[in-house]
Amino acid sequence: DTEVTQTPKHLVMGMTNKKSLKCEQHMGHRAMYWYKQKAKKPPELMFVYSYEKLSINESVPSRFSPECPNSSLLNLHLHALQPEDSALYLCASSQPRGGGEETQYFGPGTRLLVL
Amino acid sequence: AQSVAQPEDQVNVAEGNPLTVKCTYSVSGNPYLFWYVQYPNRGLQFLLKYITGDNLVKGSYGFEAEFNKSQTSFHLKKPSALVSDSALYFCAVSLLGGYQKVTFGTGTKLQVIP
Repeated sequence: DTEVTQTPKHLVMGMTNKKSLKCEQHMGHRAMYWYKQKAKKPPELMFVYSYEKLSINESVPSRFSPECPNSSLLNLHLHALQPEDSALYLCASSQPRGGGEETQYFGPGTRLLVL
Repeated sequence: AQSVAQPEDQVNVAEGNPLTVKCTYSVSGNPYLFWYVQYPNRGLQFLLKYITGDNLVKGSYGFEAEFNKSQTSFHLKKPSALVSDSALYFCAVSLLGGYQKVTFGTGTKLQVIP
């Protein structure tokens, strides 16, 4: 099973709402990632969890808050978002290995619209 | 610093013809290179990667890529294009090998014409 699942597929929220995006993988991977992708643009790395250690991209606003309850689950909590945060949010996972042997698997994404 | 360039925003090719999607990179060391494909309204799918060894890398769906160190290129190729290959293709480079330092190119839209 090389599947990464994400829920919900679509999300519409107001700027005062609080919502969460969820990601799950059962490949035993110990690294999980959140990316943001605007239309026709490359993905931008937001957060990485590796062996339960969070690496924060400092350019990510605090209105995005990641959580890794266990090695299979990854959440992205959203609060007080802005319309410019509307994008496709991609989750990915990989098993860290030395020498670049790891392969990253992506989920289908959550398409977020902030009104 | 590391960067990757995809010089073509769009590539059009007739079905059955060979296709090439270009990628050049810049890193101060030995690169790890990747190709991903993204179908409309979908996440990215891994196609292939170069780490070391044979310069010709074979990947999923009949794609292959050739690593050329002297030209700092990693072009994606397929001998015979299918209409279903129409998608957005991203080249990516990492100096350290891990995904925390991956830099993606701007993407090339491949259109295969029936």
